[in-house]
Amino acid sequence: AQSVTQLDSQVPVFEEAPVELRCNYSSSVSVYLFWYVQYPNQGLQLLLKYLSGSTLVESINGFEAEFNKSQTSFHLRKPSVHISDTAEYFCAVKEAAGNKLTFGGGTRVLVKP
Amino acid sequence: DGGITQSPKYLFRKEGQNVTLSCEQNLNHDAMYWYRQDPGQGLRLIYYSQIVNDFQKGDIAEGYSVSREKKESFPLTVTSAQKNPTAFYLCASSIRDRVGPQETQYFGPGTRLLVL
Repeated sequence: AQSVTQLDSQVPVFEEAPVELRCNYSSSVSVYLFWYVQYPNQGLQLLLKYLSGSTLVESINGFEAEFNKSQTSFHLRKPSVHISDTAEYFCAVKEAAGNKLTFGGGTRVLVKP
Repeated sequence: DGGITQSPKYLFRKEGQNVTLSCEQNLNHDAMYWYRQDPGQGLRLIYYSQIVNDFQKGDIAEGYSVSREKKESFPLTVTSAQKNPTAFYLCASSIRDRVGPQETQYFGPGTRLLVL
């Protein structure tokens, strides 16, 4: 069975500083990987995804994530955060041939001025 | 606008009462999902449906029921058997997996259920 671990439950960071959110997964088969963002009292929005091809994927708002198969990781990074990036971020994994999306526990990012 | 709508935004349940959460999508997606979100636990799958008139239990189906009579609708009923229903409930949908890996799930805004 697949599982996802987000190592940090909370990450405080100052505005314009870099941030990295760690995500590790376990699965014995090929997977697809996703990062979602959730603002308070809202649903989840897809931030970026890795399906195949280049292991570095980028979002339109400056986030990027790199798929590392040997380390079974999909860490999310942003070189310079804004106050508006304050939210909870979820890593998720889906087996390529399966139906089920498995989520990590989430990382709450608090951007301080 | 295409998207997923959930109603109501807030719902209150009395002891012993069944309540139904609505989820509607106009994305023409085949698959629909219900998740429960509790603080610090991420999202857990309750039920999912790949096609009309068919659905499967997820990881925490006990105390819940669903129906899928129409492609665009996937209501969730929280029954009195669910002893701890207070949570944030999220509905999602996706294009059914075909040749390519296009089963990205898109989420609705959620319904917060509270017990009186």
